[in-house]
Formats: sequence, C-alpha cells, structure tokens
Amino acid sequence: GQQVMQIPQYQHVQEGEDFTTYCNSSTTLSNIQWYKQRPGGHPVFLIQLVKSGEVKKQKRLTFQFGEAKKNSSLHITATQTTDVGTYFCAGRETSGSRLTFGEGTQLTVNP
Amino acid sequence: EAGVTQFPSHSVIEKGQTVTLRCDPISGHDNLYWYRRVMGKEIKFLLHFVKESKQDESGMPNNRFLAERTGGTYSTLKVQPAELEDSGVYFCASSPRGMFNSPLHFGNGTRLTVT
Repeated sequence: GQQVMQIPQYQHVQEGEDFTTYCNSSTTLSNIQWYKQRPGGHPVFLIQLVKSGEVKKQKRLTFQFGEAKKNSSLHITATQTTDVGTYFCAGRETSGSRLTFGEGTQLTVNP
Repeated sequence: EAGVTQFPSHSVIEKGQTVTLRCDPISGHDNLYWYRRVMGKEIKFLLHFVKESKQDESGMPNNRFLAERTGGTYSTLKVQPAELEDSGVYFCASSPRGMFNSPLHFGNGTRLTVT
C-alpha cells in the first residue's frame, strides 16, 4: 500500500534559524496537504498542493510539490518559538482517496 | 461554527475491557474519518464514513474495532476487548459533503491507554 515518509523525525533549532522537513511518497500523488499539530493539540490544516512543481508561500513558510508529484517540502525561514509543533504531510493517490499521513517532523525552537 | 468534538479526552482501561469513543463532526459535514496515532508514528487511517455509510474501512486493524454512525451525525468507535497495542490517540476528522479533497477538520482526540 501507499507509504508516506517524512524526514527528519525531530529537529531542534535556535530561534532565527531556518527549518526544512521533507516528505516522500512511495506512489505518485494527486495532491498533498500539510498540517501542524501544536503540543497537546490536534492537527490543523496549513495548505494543499495540487500541481506538479507547485510552490506556495504563507509568510515565512514555503511549500513545494515535486515535479514527479512524489515528494514535497516545507521550509520555514527564521523560525520563531510559535513555530514549535509537529508538521505532518499527507498525500492522496487519487482524487477522493484516503489521505495517508507521514510520521511527522517534531520541531523545537530554542529562544 | 463549533469544531469537531471528541469524548472522552482521556481513557485508561485494563486489557480486556471495552471502551467507546464518540465523535461529533462539524454540523453539515457528511465525511467523517477516524485516525489513530501511536506514539511517534504516523497518523494512521482507520475508516471513512459518508453520512451513515462506510466508504472505506480498510484501515480497521481487526474485528475488535467497531465503528458506527447511525443517522449520519455523530460516530462511535468501540474497542472490545481492548489490547495493549490499542493504546494511542484516536482522532476524528470531518469534511464537507462531496469535497473529497478538502482539508480535514480534526477533533482534539481521545488518548486511550490500555494497561
């Protein structure tokens, strides 16, 4: 079955440093979504990417979808303590199929 | 708009006991999903309801798990009898009708501990 892998599993940064998490799927994806879960909270939707090579930005966050639609990345510029949490990618093989989540990258930011 | 609500927030039971988790989706959301996260692992799909019908239940681990959504509103997930490996956080999520690619709205989850 479809597998979605994320690296790294953990990332510790100093406030102000950049952060990147990578997501790889065993199969070609129809679309990919990113979620953020704050400590003690629940996953909250951040963004969806659909097109091959798509790049979207949300303030300091930049999301990319690979040309082959099998990988994606999330890059945070100049991290802040409010960025702390676990970032999950989740992909769909076909439109309307189940959303398969990766294991997440847990980000901690030292002030 | 009220979000997805789950009850209880925590449950500690002994191996062999029964537990029932409840999820109230956002009003009007026909799609309801159950997911589970075991510590440090992925958020694993369990099943998907469209209204009261099970659209995809291929993620249910075994027949000790029973999910229902009578009337197409709230859903329950029963584990009977519970085993140690059932421990984890059970998330419910919902999305609007027909929008299969729309974002999922998650509840706060139920943390289940089986001792």
